[in-house]
Amino acid sequence: EVQLVESGGVVVQPGGSLRLSCAASGFTFDDYAMHWVRQAPGKGLEWVSLISWDGGSTYYADSVKGRFTISRDNSKNSLYLQMNSLRAEDTALYYCAKDEAPYSSSWFFDYWGQGTLVTVSS
Amino acid sequence: QSALTQPASVSGSPGQSITISCTGTSSDVGSYNLVSWYQQHPGKAPKLMIYEVSKRPSGVSNRFSGSKSGNTASLTISGLQAEDEADYYCCSYAGSSTYVVFGGGTKLTVL
Repeated sequence: EVQLVESGGVVVQPGGSLRLSCAASGFTFDDYAMHWVRQAPGKGLEWVSLISWDGGSTYYADSVKGRFTISRDNSKNSLYLQMNSLRAEDTALYYCAKDEAPYSSSWFFDYWGQGTLVTVSS
Repeated sequence: QSALTQPASVSGSPGQSITISCTGTSSDVGSYNLVSWYQQHPGKAPKLMIYEVSKRPSGVSNRFSGSKSGNTASLTISGLQAEDEADYYCCSYAGSSTYVVFGGGTKLTVL
């Protein structure tokens, strides 16, 4: 059974930094690209970032480019999101999501975690 | 404002069929057969219902179907059931600059 468990969400002040983690199990982690998708309270879904199966390629939404960094440790079956220069508008539930295609990017998400809440507030 | 446009809400009675539209542009929905649909119940994570416009993942009821015409994709749910009441989001690949765009979501109410 595929499981994705996010952690690291807390309340942080504007301008602060935070690192989210996602622990994966139930599939061959290093075969698949992984995404972060966020959802502001009461709002819709917003794609944040993608990292390729081998970590060699990364992609970002314009809203986070230059502030967020996605990474992965395939030896630990873990995905990360380093978030810097946080703003109030980054407040959201952050989901990690598995890409469907092995060794590629299908640009859709077949499994999702339950999310971790990041609140940016003074 | 979301990149893809969905109706804020739709409703239907049990047993009926409903269709949710998702309108994009020639830069996203119109250019790629990479439209997906997600169901989200309150307090839960999204669930993949349709991918690549019209394909259903294993385990998803065949009451759910997807299609596309031009810049507009559609999700149809036939034989509505109470458990279908949820928010539905469309999503599309949008090329090598924007990458992924979502619709604003549609709240389905089963009357």
